[in-house]
Amino acid sequence: QVQLQESGPGQVKPSQTLSLTCTVSGGSFRSGGYWWTWIRQHPGRGLEWIGYIYYSGSTYYNPSLKSRVTISKDMSKNQFSLKLSSVTAADTAVYYCARADEYYNYYGMDVWGQGTTVTVSS
Amino acid sequence: EIVLTQSPGTLSLSPGERATLSCRASQSVSSKYLAWYQQKPGQAPRLLIYGASSRATGIPDRFSGSGSGTDFTLAISRLEPEDFAIYYCQHHDTSPREYTFGQGTKLEI
Repeated sequence: QVQLQESGPGQVKPSQTLSLTCTVSGGSFRSGGYWWTWIRQHPGRGLEWIGYIYYSGSTYYNPSLKSRVTISKDMSKNQFSLKLSSVTAADTAVYYCARADEYYNYYGMDVWGQGTTVTVSS
Repeated sequence: EIVLTQSPGTLSLSPGERATLSCRASQSVSSKYLAWYQQKPGQAPRLLIYGASSRATGIPDRFSGSGSGTDFTLAISRLEPEDFAIYYCQHHDTSPREYTFGQGTKLEI
């Protein structure tokens, strides 16, 4: 059974770059048909899609964050990562990684990490 | 940009009752890419419904989804205590590629 686990600093200073990694276990990142996704949730708020990456390296980002976001992969480690630059307090949120299944669930996100809280503060 | 509007914002019901949650899209969307999630406090969302009406693996049959075009519904036939949570609808667009979420409906006892 595929599991996802986020890791990274819980606090980032304003104007710096937020960096998180999601480790895929129990399955291969190389499997076709899955888009490896980052989602965030501001405190007490709803869900916001950040972007996703395919095993081939294709990436798509939320237009509102596109100028600051980079999602990359490290297939040797079965990981994918998020970098969000020039952060402000508005980027304080719980960050989730998730797997979106293109073929079976029609891009429904069927596997999620537990989430990691990132606070932007000096 | 597609906007998903969920109603009501909060729904107060009792165990055993039926819940009906609504998700309205700002323009017609493909039901193939319409999903519903359940989120409990301190937990990640859980996929309930995909393709507007198909239950995800392991989801009890008291959960059902329906709808097309701009109007979609999540129904829970007989509420169990563990069903009280926040529910989100979600649409995935393929051109351009992006996800949109509704603002959520809180189902409370």
